[in-house]
Order: sequence, then C-alpha cells, then structure tokens
Amino acid sequence: AQSVAQPEDQVKVAEGNPLTVKCTYSVSGNPYLFWYVQYPNRGLQFLLKYITGDNLVKGSYGFEAEFNKSQTSFHLKKPSALVSDSALYFCAVRPNSGYSTLTFGKGTMLLVSP
Amino acid sequence: NAGVTQTPKFQVLKTGQSMTLQCAQDMNHEYMSWYRQDPGMGLRLIHYSVGAGITDQGEVPNGYNVSRSTTEDFPLRLLSAAPSQTSVYFCASSYGEGGSHGYTFGSGTRLTVV
Repeated sequence: AQSVAQPEDQVKVAEGNPLTVKCTYSVSGNPYLFWYVQYPNRGLQFLLKYITGDNLVKGSYGFEAEFNKSQTSFHLKKPSALVSDSALYFCAVRPNSGYSTLTFGKGTMLLVSP
Repeated sequence: NAGVTQTPKFQVLKTGQSMTLQCAQDMNHEYMSWYRQDPGMGLRLIHYSVGAGITDQGEVPNGYNVSRSTTEDFPLRLLSAAPSQTSVYFCASSYGEGGSHGYTFGSGTRLTVV
C-alpha cells in the first residue's frame, strides 16, 4: 500500500525568506509524485508533479520540488515566500504503472508573515 | 471550459436522510474519484471509477454508493446520512496513461449532518 507523510502540521516563514514543506512517501516500485495547494474554502489546485527525468521539478507560482529516491522524499520549496502563499499544501503519491488513485498526505499549513 | 463542477456547494441533512452529491466534468477524462476531507486527516478516497460503467471502492466506502453511467457524470449517494459523514467532499477527474496526469478537482461540497 502507498502512503505519504507530511511531518509538519504547520510551517511559518517570514515574507521574502525561503520556504520548505516536507514530504516523504512509500510506494511499490517507482512513484509519480504531486503537490497541490488549497486556499480557504476552495478546491485543490495542481502545483507540480514528478513523473520521470530531472529530479528538480518546477511548477506554478515559483514553487519547485526535489525528488530524492534514496530518501523517498519530495520536498516543496520556494526561494522567496509571499504572504499570498499562505495556504494548505498536500503531497500525493501513486505508483508509476497501471491505473492507481492518488494517496494524499494530511496536509501542511503554510503561514507567511509580512 | 468548466472543468469539474460539483453541486450543491453546501448542504445540511438530518440523520437518516439520503441525498446525492453531483459531479460533472467536461474534459472527457476517463478517471473520476470522490474524496472526503476532514481536519487533520487529509483527503481520503471514497470511491473511484476508471471509465463509464466501472466503479470501485476506496479507503472509506461505507455509507456511500456511486455509479458511472456516462463519462461526464459521477454522482455520490449517501444512503442514510450520519453525523460522521459531516465533511467536505471533493470530486476529481484525471486522464493519461493510468490517470498519470494528476487530478483536476471540483470546488467541493460542504455537508453537515445534524
């Protein structure tokens, strides 16, 4: 069975500072990995995904994530946080073969202070 | 292009009542799923479908039924509502080999069972 761990319920950073939201996963075989963002009272929006290739994936709104197979991690990063980045972030995983639904982590609330 | 449309956005039910949450997508996506979101628990899969006429259970299927008579529609039925089903419900669709392109989410239905 596949699983995702987001070890931090909340991450606080000051605007302009770099941010990291952590994600580790467990899956049979190679993974497809995703990050989604949820703003208050909204649905989830796709940020970025890792399918294959370059371990550093760039996505929407200046976010990027680094796939590390040996550490089974897919941490979300941004060089300079904005107050508008404050939201709930979800990491998700599935195997890279056949059909499979996504398994989501419990989410990490990112709070960016002015 | 409307994407994934969920109705209603809000609903209050009494214990024991039944209702159907509607989900429609206009992107011709093969794969559709229903998730529920509860505080501190992330998103949990209720039911999913890999195409018209094909459905299967997810992690938390009890108390819910689904059907997929067309590619576009994937309604979720609550048979006899219970307070434990108070949650935010999200419908999602995906495409690509085995649904590899990730999910497009609807805006959610906030359900309260009293």
